[in-house]
Amino acid sequence: DTGVSQDPRHKITKRGQNVTFRCDPISEHNRLYWYRQTLGQGPEFLTYFQNEAQLEKSRLLSDRFSAERPKGSFSTLEIQRTEQGDSAMYLCASSTGGLQYFGDGTRLSIL
Amino acid sequence: DAKTTQPPSMDCAEGRAANLPCNHSTISGNEYVYWYRQIHSQGPQYIIHGLKNNETNEMASLIITEDRKSSTLILPHATLRDTAVYYCMGDRPGNNRKLIWGLGTSLAVNP
Repeated sequence: DTGVSQDPRHKITKRGQNVTFRCDPISEHNRLYWYRQTLGQGPEFLTYFQNEAQLEKSRLLSDRFSAERPKGSFSTLEIQRTEQGDSAMYLCASSTGGLQYFGDGTRLSIL
Repeated sequence: DAKTTQPPSMDCAEGRAANLPCNHSTISGNEYVYWYRQIHSQGPQYIIHGLKNNETNEMASLIITEDRKSSTLILPHATLRDTAVYYCMGDRPGNNRKLIWGLGTSLAVNP
């Protein structure tokens, strides 16, 4: 499968713990996006990379959130000191500047 | 970016055409109209996009009104696998291309 891959698919953790998600974009896609989706809502933009440069961050991305794309390929999204409100689906998408192709997301549940 | 309005839900009989409307009265002249869908527990999937002219691909047809204030996505012969949430949105070429999602239309295709 050469689509966007996200790992893990599901993550259950206790409040206050740190979690990290990984996204592997489609090969040679230079743009990578992170979105968050809560139940019944459309996805909300979090941040965007062009190659390894993080070019935009949403106000939704508090200082507990950090995203990296060190070599311009895969990306990680870390949430520190998780809170109840962080429970959501975290979606990754990649593109070459046009269509965005999405992974199936990581569903985070905070106990 | 254009604000879009869609009906929250629609029903369609299997084998019939599904016509999903979208209002985007604030869309700017160079902003494309994009349609994605999201099947339960999966990431969003691109369907079609257009600027001014009507478009057709293997999945659907897109009809854009002459004033570009609204559009209709047509699934010509809906199947049960087309049951999903359908999102329309505007996307201006040349910017970071982040997608601004609304609440979408939940389409139920009934046998």
